[in-house]
Amino acid sequence: QSVLTQPPSASGTPGQRVTISCSGSNSNIGSNYVYWYQQLPGTAPKLLIYRNNQRPSGVPDRFSGSKSGTSASLAISGLRSEDEADYYCAAWDDSLSGRVFGGGTKVTVL
Amino acid sequence: QVQLQESGPGLVKPSETLSLTCTVSGVSVRSGTYYWSWIRQPPGKGLEWIGYIYYRGTTSYNPSLKSRVSISVDTSKNQFSLKLTSVTAADTAVYYCARDNLDTATGFDYWGQGTLVTVSS
Repeated sequence: QSVLTQPPSASGTPGQRVTISCSGSNSNIGSNYVYWYQQLPGTAPKLLIYRNNQRPSGVPDRFSGSKSGTSASLAISGLRSEDEADYYCAAWDDSLSGRVFGGGTKVTVL
Repeated sequence: QVQLQESGPGLVKPSETLSLTCTVSGVSVRSGTYYWSWIRQPPGKGLEWIGYIYYRGTTSYNPSLKSRVSISVDTSKNQFSLKLTSVTAADTAVYYCARDNLDTATGFDYWGQGTLVTVSS
Protein backbone atom coordinates (compact mmCIF):
# COMPACT_ATOMS: atom_id res chain seq x y z
CA GLN A 1 0.00 0.00 0.00
CA SER A 2 1.61 3.23 -1.19
CA VAL A 3 1.57 6.39 0.92
CA LEU A 4 0.51 8.46 -2.10
CA THR A 5 -2.59 7.34 -4.02
CA GLN A 6 -2.74 7.28 -7.81
CA PRO A 7 -5.24 5.69 -10.18
CA PRO A 8 -3.77 2.47 -11.62
CA SER A 9 -4.51 3.41 -15.21
CA ALA A 10 -5.40 6.23 -17.57
CA SER A 11 -5.83 6.35 -21.31
CA GLY A 12 -6.48 8.63 -24.23
CA THR A 13 -6.26 8.90 -27.97
CA PRO A 14 -3.45 10.75 -29.74
CA GLY A 15 -3.81 14.49 -29.32
CA GLN A 16 -6.03 14.25 -26.26
CA ARG A 17 -5.29 15.62 -22.80
CA VAL A 18 -4.82 13.12 -19.99
CA THR A 19 -4.67 13.99 -16.29
CA ILE A 20 -3.27 11.82 -13.49
CA SER A 21 -4.10 12.54 -9.87
CA CYS A 22 -1.95 11.97 -6.79
CA SER A 23 -3.49 12.17 -3.33
CA GLY A 24 -1.58 12.44 -0.09
CA SER A 25 -1.78 14.05 3.32
CA ASN A 26 -0.60 17.06 5.29
CA SER A 27 2.68 15.36 6.14
CA ASN A 28 3.70 14.88 2.52
CA ILE A 29 2.00 16.71 -0.35
CA GLY A 30 0.37 19.19 1.98
CA SER A 31 3.70 20.54 3.22
CA ASN A 32 6.30 19.55 0.63
CA TYR A 33 7.02 19.66 -3.06
CA VAL A 34 5.64 17.05 -5.47
CA TYR A 35 7.68 15.32 -8.14
CA TRP A 36 6.64 13.27 -11.15
CA TYR A 37 8.62 10.51 -12.84
CA GLN A 38 8.06 8.76 -16.16
CA GLN A 39 9.12 5.14 -16.56
CA LEU A 40 9.15 3.78 -20.09
CA PRO A 41 8.98 -0.01 -20.38
CA GLY A 42 12.20 -1.70 -19.31
CA THR A 43 13.97 1.53 -18.36
CA ALA A 44 14.83 3.50 -15.24
CA PRO A 45 12.46 6.26 -14.14
CA LYS A 46 13.10 9.74 -15.50
CA LEU A 47 12.40 13.03 -13.71
CA LEU A 48 9.49 14.77 -15.42
CA ILE A 49 8.38 17.47 -12.97
CA TYR A 50 10.04 18.88 -9.85
CA ARG A 51 8.91 21.43 -7.28
CA ASN A 52 5.25 20.81 -8.19
CA ASN A 53 5.34 22.35 -11.66
CA GLN A 54 8.90 22.80 -12.93
CA ARG A 55 10.19 20.92 -15.95
CA PRO A 56 13.84 19.85 -16.29
CA SER A 57 15.45 20.93 -19.52
CA GLY A 58 14.49 18.62 -22.34
CA VAL A 59 11.04 17.74 -21.00
CA PRO A 60 8.37 18.91 -23.47
CA ASP A 61 5.94 21.57 -22.31
CA ARG A 62 3.14 19.10 -23.06
CA PHE A 63 3.79 17.88 -19.53
CA SER A 64 2.61 20.09 -16.68
CA GLY A 65 2.19 19.65 -12.95
CA SER A 66 0.04 21.33 -10.35
CA LYS A 67 -0.67 21.03 -6.65
CA SER A 68 -3.53 22.06 -4.41
CA GLY A 69 -3.67 21.24 -0.73
CA THR A 70 -2.91 17.55 -0.25
CA SER A 71 -3.37 16.60 -3.90
CA ALA A 72 -1.39 17.03 -7.07
CA SER A 73 -1.89 16.24 -10.72
CA LEU A 74 0.10 15.67 -13.87
CA ALA A 75 -1.38 16.68 -17.20
CA ILE A 76 -0.23 15.43 -20.56
CA SER A 77 -1.60 17.48 -23.44
CA GLY A 78 -1.35 16.52 -27.10
CA LEU A 79 -0.93 12.87 -26.11
CA ARG A 80 1.56 10.96 -28.26
CA SER A 81 2.30 7.27 -28.63
CA GLU A 82 5.69 7.71 -26.99
CA ASP A 83 3.96 8.91 -23.81
CA GLU A 84 2.80 5.37 -23.13
CA ALA A 85 4.53 4.65 -19.82
CA ASP A 86 4.12 4.37 -16.08
CA TYR A 87 3.98 7.65 -14.16
CA TYR A 88 4.83 8.03 -10.48
CA CYS A 89 4.30 10.92 -8.10
CA ALA A 90 6.63 11.41 -5.13
CA ALA A 91 7.13 13.72 -2.18
CA TRP A 92 9.02 14.03 1.08
CA ASP A 93 7.03 12.84 4.10
CA ASP A 94 7.72 14.68 7.35
CA SER A 95 6.23 11.92 9.52
CA LEU A 96 8.32 9.18 7.92
CA SER A 97 11.36 11.44 7.37
CA GLY A 98 11.80 10.03 3.92
CA ARG A 99 10.68 10.00 0.33
CA VAL A 100 7.36 8.40 -0.55
CA PHE A 101 5.98 7.36 -3.93
CA GLY A 102 2.57 6.79 -5.41
CA GLY A 103 1.70 3.34 -6.70
CA GLY A 104 2.05 4.46 -10.30
CA THR A 105 -0.36 5.09 -13.17
CA LYS A 106 -0.07 3.26 -16.45
CA VAL A 107 -0.93 5.54 -19.35
CA THR A 108 -2.14 3.84 -22.51
CA VAL A 109 -2.44 5.61 -25.84
CA LEU A 110 -5.41 4.11 -27.64
CA GLN B 1 27.92 13.97 -17.91
CA VAL B 2 26.63 12.48 -14.68
CA GLN B 3 26.31 8.72 -14.69
CA LEU B 4 25.44 6.16 -12.01
CA GLN B 5 26.02 2.44 -12.36
CA GLU B 6 24.88 -0.30 -10.00
CA SER B 7 26.90 -3.48 -9.51
CA GLY B 8 26.64 -6.58 -7.39
CA PRO B 9 25.36 -10.16 -7.29
CA GLY B 10 22.16 -10.86 -9.18
CA LEU B 11 21.26 -13.81 -6.95
CA VAL B 12 21.19 -13.89 -3.16
CA LYS B 13 20.10 -16.75 -0.92
CA PRO B 14 17.34 -16.27 1.65
CA SER B 15 18.57 -15.05 5.07
CA GLU B 16 21.81 -13.76 3.55
CA THR B 17 22.93 -10.17 2.94
CA LEU B 18 22.32 -8.28 -0.28
CA SER B 19 25.23 -5.98 -1.18
CA LEU B 20 25.23 -3.49 -4.04
CA THR B 21 27.56 -0.68 -5.07
CA CYS B 22 26.80 2.43 -7.11
CA THR B 23 29.70 3.95 -9.00
CA VAL B 24 29.25 7.64 -9.75
CA SER B 25 30.97 9.51 -12.57
CA GLY B 26 30.76 13.09 -13.75
CA VAL B 27 30.22 14.48 -10.25
CA SER B 28 31.88 13.98 -6.89
CA VAL B 29 29.94 12.24 -4.15
CA ARG B 30 31.59 14.85 -1.90
CA SER B 31 29.45 17.53 -3.51
CA GLY B 32 27.61 19.15 -0.66
CA THR B 33 24.22 19.44 -2.33
CA TYR B 34 23.44 15.83 -3.16
CA TYR B 35 21.97 12.92 -1.27
CA TRP B 36 22.91 9.55 -2.73
CA SER B 37 19.92 7.24 -2.71
CA TRP B 38 18.72 3.70 -3.24
CA ILE B 39 15.26 2.88 -4.61
CA ARG B 40 13.85 -0.52 -5.50
CA GLN B 41 11.04 -1.89 -7.64
CA PRO B 42 9.68 -5.43 -7.22
CA PRO B 43 8.76 -7.08 -10.53
CA GLY B 44 5.53 -5.59 -11.87
CA LYS B 45 5.15 -3.24 -8.89
CA GLY B 46 5.86 0.36 -7.94
CA LEU B 47 8.86 2.24 -6.61
CA GLU B 48 10.00 2.08 -2.99
CA TRP B 49 12.52 4.47 -1.46
CA ILE B 50 15.14 2.60 0.59
CA GLY B 51 17.25 5.46 1.92
CA TYR B 52 20.02 7.95 1.28
CA ILE B 53 23.46 8.98 2.46
CA TYR B 54 25.04 12.43 2.51
CA TYR B 55 28.78 12.48 1.86
CA ARG B 56 29.52 13.39 5.49
CA GLY B 57 27.87 10.13 6.52
CA THR B 58 24.39 11.28 7.48
CA THR B 59 21.82 8.66 6.55
CA SER B 60 18.06 8.31 6.41
CA TYR B 61 16.23 5.04 5.88
CA ASN B 62 12.72 3.88 5.06
CA PRO B 63 11.21 2.97 8.46
CA SER B 64 9.92 -0.32 7.03
CA LEU B 65 13.48 -1.41 6.20
CA LYS B 66 15.48 0.48 8.80
CA SER B 67 16.36 -2.54 10.95
CA ARG B 68 17.95 -4.34 7.98
CA VAL B 69 19.46 -1.55 5.87
CA SER B 70 22.74 0.29 5.87
CA ILE B 71 24.11 2.71 3.28
CA SER B 72 27.74 3.78 3.21
CA VAL B 73 29.90 6.03 1.04
CA ASP B 74 33.48 5.66 -0.20
CA THR B 75 34.62 9.09 -1.32
CA SER B 76 38.00 7.77 -2.49
CA LYS B 77 36.27 5.57 -5.07
CA ASN B 78 33.36 7.93 -5.71
CA GLN B 79 30.96 5.14 -4.77
CA PHE B 80 28.18 4.47 -2.33
CA SER B 81 26.85 1.10 -1.24
CA LEU B 82 23.77 -0.67 0.04
CA LYS B 83 23.57 -3.61 2.44
CA LEU B 84 20.28 -5.33 3.20
CA THR B 85 20.42 -8.17 5.72
CA SER B 86 18.23 -11.22 6.28
CA VAL B 87 16.70 -11.07 2.81
CA THR B 88 13.58 -12.96 1.77
CA ALA B 89 11.80 -13.46 -1.54
CA ALA B 90 9.98 -10.18 -0.87
CA ASP B 91 13.30 -8.37 -1.39
CA THR B 92 13.48 -9.54 -5.01
CA ALA B 93 13.48 -6.35 -7.05
CA VAL B 94 15.28 -4.11 -9.47
CA TYR B 95 17.50 -1.89 -7.34
CA TYR B 96 18.27 1.62 -8.56
CA CYS B 97 20.77 4.12 -7.27
CA ALA B 98 19.89 7.76 -7.81
CA ARG B 99 20.99 11.28 -7.00
CA ASP B 100 18.62 13.35 -4.89
CA ASN B 101 18.86 17.03 -4.08
CA LEU B 102 16.92 17.90 -0.97
CA ASP B 103 18.44 21.36 -0.67
CA THR B 104 17.42 22.69 -4.08
CA ALA B 105 14.43 20.34 -4.26
CA THR B 106 15.17 19.13 -7.76
CA GLY B 107 14.33 15.51 -7.01
CA PHE B 108 15.96 12.32 -8.26
CA ASP B 109 17.51 13.86 -11.35
CA TYR B 110 19.95 11.07 -12.28
CA TRP B 111 19.36 7.32 -12.02
CA GLY B 112 21.38 4.22 -12.66
CA GLN B 113 20.02 1.70 -15.14
CA GLY B 114 19.00 -0.62 -12.32
CA THR B 115 20.09 -4.13 -11.40
CA LEU B 116 17.80 -7.08 -10.77
CA VAL B 117 18.46 -8.94 -7.54
CA THR B 118 16.66 -12.24 -7.09
CA VAL B 119 16.40 -13.86 -3.66
CA SER B 120 16.24 -17.60 -4.09
CA SER B 121 17.93 -20.73 -2.85
